[in-house]
Amino acid sequence: DAKTTQPTSMDCAEGRAANLPCNHSTISGNEYVYWYRQIHSQGPQYIIHGLKNNETNEMASLIITEDRKSSTLILPHATLRDTAVYYCIVRVRWSNFGNEKLTFGTGTRLTIIP
Amino acid sequence: DADVTQTPRNRITKTGKRIMLECSQTKGHDRMYWYRQDPGLGLRLIYYSFDVKDINKGEISDGYSVSRQAQAKFSLSLESAIPNQTALYFCATSDFGQGATGELFFGEGSRLTVL
Repeated sequence: DAKTTQPTSMDCAEGRAANLPCNHSTISGNEYVYWYRQIHSQGPQYIIHGLKNNETNEMASLIITEDRKSSTLILPHATLRDTAVYYCIVRVRWSNFGNEKLTFGTGTRLTIIP
Repeated sequence: DADVTQTPRNRITKTGKRIMLECSQTKGHDRMYWYRQDPGLGLRLIYYSFDVKDINKGEISDGYSVSRQAQAKFSLSLESAIPNQTALYFCATSDFGQGATGELFFGEGSRLTVL
């Protein structure tokens, strides 16, 4: 799986859009970008994923650059409950080849400021 | 009820003791995983299983063993616990095949302290 690079921490004012960047310059053509978040010490929660097109769901939007070497997760109207560690990982959707080395990096600690 | 349930949620034990962490899921997924998280670090994969007859080592399997008793159950064992195995442990499941999203579904975690 490709390695990702994320800022260690970010702050965002409540009600504003939170933009979390992720670099994945070695991403392969069949690898997707996934975002998860972990609130305190709870189990990580899936947010969104995409291959090359921008994606949006009820939680967030995912913007992937045309060369696919970086992406941005956007939380459009951040609330205090969005304070969490956000993980960006790249991987194939699934595989039968035993390469499910689904390692999460250290992520970005996002703090929403009242 | 949670889709992925871990027991116990918290456990304190002594060095040398055998510990088993259990995971059960109602997602109907074939693929199950055990992760470990240390303070300030991300999640590292310990073992994973693609189906009942399939067990694979992750990046940090030394000192651990697993058992896949059924599609819905995947247990992690520490045969002789040591203090540096103190961590937060997560079980996860995923689907596969045409139409699968590849999303991981996590349990709420089992906090293990080895004294």
